[in-house]
Amino acid sequence: EPEVTQTPSHQVTQMGQEVILRCVPISNHLYFYWYRQILGQKVEFLVSFYNNEISEKSEIFDDQFSVERPDGSNFTLKIRSTKLEDSAMYFCASSGGTGGYYGYTFGSGTRLTVV
Amino acid sequence: AQSVTQLDSHVSVSEGTPVLLRCNYSSSYSPSLFWYVQHPNKGLQLLLKYTSAATLVKGINGFEAEFKKSETSFHLTKPSAHMSDAAEYFCVVSVGLGYGGSQGNLIFGKGTKLSVKP
Repeated sequence: EPEVTQTPSHQVTQMGQEVILRCVPISNHLYFYWYRQILGQKVEFLVSFYNNEISEKSEIFDDQFSVERPDGSNFTLKIRSTKLEDSAMYFCASSGGTGGYYGYTFGSGTRLTVV
Repeated sequence: AQSVTQLDSHVSVSEGTPVLLRCNYSSSYSPSLFWYVQHPNKGLQLLLKYTSAATLVKGINGFEAEFKKSETSFHLTKPSAHMSDAAEYFCVVSVGLGYGGSQGNLIFGKGTKLSVKP
């Protein structure tokens, strides 16, 4: 069964450093997403991406965050200057279309710890 | 606005007994609804989804859920719990493009942690 692959599975970084979280979505999917889950809290939507541009973003997704699909297979989330509160599990997801009909496939997540 | 409420943060059952995880949703439009499961240190796995077809939806591992519009509910059930079912379960709502909501992003409930006793 096709999978969404995320690397690394764990990352520890110092406050103020830049991090890039990487994802390889399912190859024929068109819509890509990042979500995060702070420990003990809800899974929250960050951003959706389609046709090489952001289609929607949440209030969490401020100027410190950016996404990119550099080579047609990878989908990355960059945090420019990490803060302690960015510590969370970050999930990448992809979908064959918009809305619930197509379903969403999630990766296994990257646990980011900012120290 | 769309929202989802999982009524129990923690449910404990004995192996072999039925499982009921409750979920209520709020949506101005016809929603798509999902249940995802997260095992410890693992990703989110889709159990089942409702997308305006049959109201009783069967998923993987013997789980099913029934969409009840009159009660705005989408409860998850399984006739007989197995030890491997112990995990956290998320009820999720999505409103697709063109329904006045966002472009298909998902809204998660807070999760229900299921414990299964031997």
